[in-house]
Amino acid sequence: AQRVTQPEKLLSVFKGAPVELKCNYSYSGSPELFWYVQYSRQRLQLLLRHISRESIKGFTADLNKGETSFHLKKPFAQEEDSAMYYCALKSSGGTSYGKLTFGQGTILTVHP
Amino acid sequence: KAGVTQTPRYLIKTRGQQVTLSCSPISGHRSVSWYQQTPGQGLQFLFEYFSETQRNKGNFPGRFSGRQFSNSRSEMNVSTLELGDSALYLCASSLGGQNNEKLFFGSGTQLSVL
Repeated sequence: AQRVTQPEKLLSVFKGAPVELKCNYSYSGSPELFWYVQYSRQRLQLLLRHISRESIKGFTADLNKGETSFHLKKPFAQEEDSAMYYCALKSSGGTSYGKLTFGQGTILTVHP
Repeated sequence: KAGVTQTPRYLIKTRGQQVTLSCSPISGHRSVSWYQQTPGQGLQFLFEYFSETQRNKGNFPGRFSGRQFSNSRSEMNVSTLELGDSALYLCASSLGGQNNEKLFFGSGTQLSVL
């Protein structure tokens, strides 16, 4: 069975400080990993996916298969980064259509 | 391009009743997935439809069912409602079937069962 763990329910940092949101997964195959974000009063939206190896809004995430982690990082947090962040896993292969396994989420608060 | 539209936004029902929720995907998207979101369990996958066929199903009882129409719009039905069915129900659409595909979520339907 696949599982996603986000160990921190709440994370508070000050503006300009580095931030790291942790995500660990359990999956025997080769996973597809995503970070989704939900800003206040907005719908859930994709932030980034591991396959793209991109930086979105200054955030990056590296898939570490040895540690089964996909932590989200940003060197200098901004107040507008305050939101709920979800790590999600999709199993590869042809039977996992539309099915994401989500972590419990981390509420990030960036203080001025 | 309009986003994923879910109706209604809010619903209040009593135990034992049944409810139908609607989701209109982004134009051109053929896959629709449904998720239940609760404070205790988080986001849990219900099922996914593509071209009017259910391709994937989560671990929910048979009281939860869905369907998809030829225009890709989808409905989700919950029969014999229980108090524990109170949740935010999210619908997501995508092109349908590609690896690492991005899901686009609706704003959800907040269901309260009294």
